[in-house]
Amino acid sequence: GAGVSQTPSNKVTEKGKYVELRCDPISGHTALYWYRQSLGQGPEFLIYFQGTGAADDSGLPNDRFFAVRPEGSVSTLKIQRTERGDSAVYLCASSPTGSINSPLHFGNGTRLTVT
Amino acid sequence: AQKVTQAQTEISVVEKEDVTLDCVYETRDTTYYLFWYKQPPSGELVFLIRRNSFDEQNEISGRYSWNFQKSTSSFNFTITASQVVDSAVYFCALSEENTGNQFYFGTGTSLTVIP
Repeated sequence: GAGVSQTPSNKVTEKGKYVELRCDPISGHTALYWYRQSLGQGPEFLIYFQGTGAADDSGLPNDRFFAVRPEGSVSTLKIQRTERGDSAVYLCASSPTGSINSPLHFGNGTRLTVT
Repeated sequence: AQKVTQAQTEISVVEKEDVTLDCVYETRDTTYYLFWYKQPPSGELVFLIRRNSFDEQNEISGRYSWNFQKSTSSFNFTITASQVVDSAVYFCALSEENTGNQFYFGTGTSLTVIP
């Protein structure tokens, strides 16, 4: 079946602009996660959705970052007033239940470059 | 403090050599899970294995084996008779009962298998 799909695969934007990154999880997966991976680092947690609600957004670095999942499926990560330090690969993952023993299924990521 | 430490940043081996990737974790929970993921050059993180804190049996899957030792808080990964296709970045990750939805990743070990 289809895996986690992320669009766009690459996004170049100018400092100060607004960007939206989209994630389409595996069908039927109730849990959705956003992670950020900087060069040479492991993925860092940003936010976790269980259904439509953000169950844990403690990883969002500041209020420029926001994410939604209005119908409990597709999610959009939104970044306002982008800064060069936001440049990274943004990874989306989903899991069937969100339980701690449920492996995350990752998409290919969106590489964001802020110039 | 880093919850998952992968001290080896880069490893190079010649094809057919065995290689062990180290992972040390830190947690106060008695219930937790450990994972290994592979990230090939294409970028998508691929789940390899999961281990729960109550099961210290070593596991073998083909050329892959995992050694879980609670006494040393380690969950090491060995590839036997390495192949060029094993070249990738490997991440160890931890999920805990008390912070369930935040999977903590190490910084990764980049493995290069030289033909």
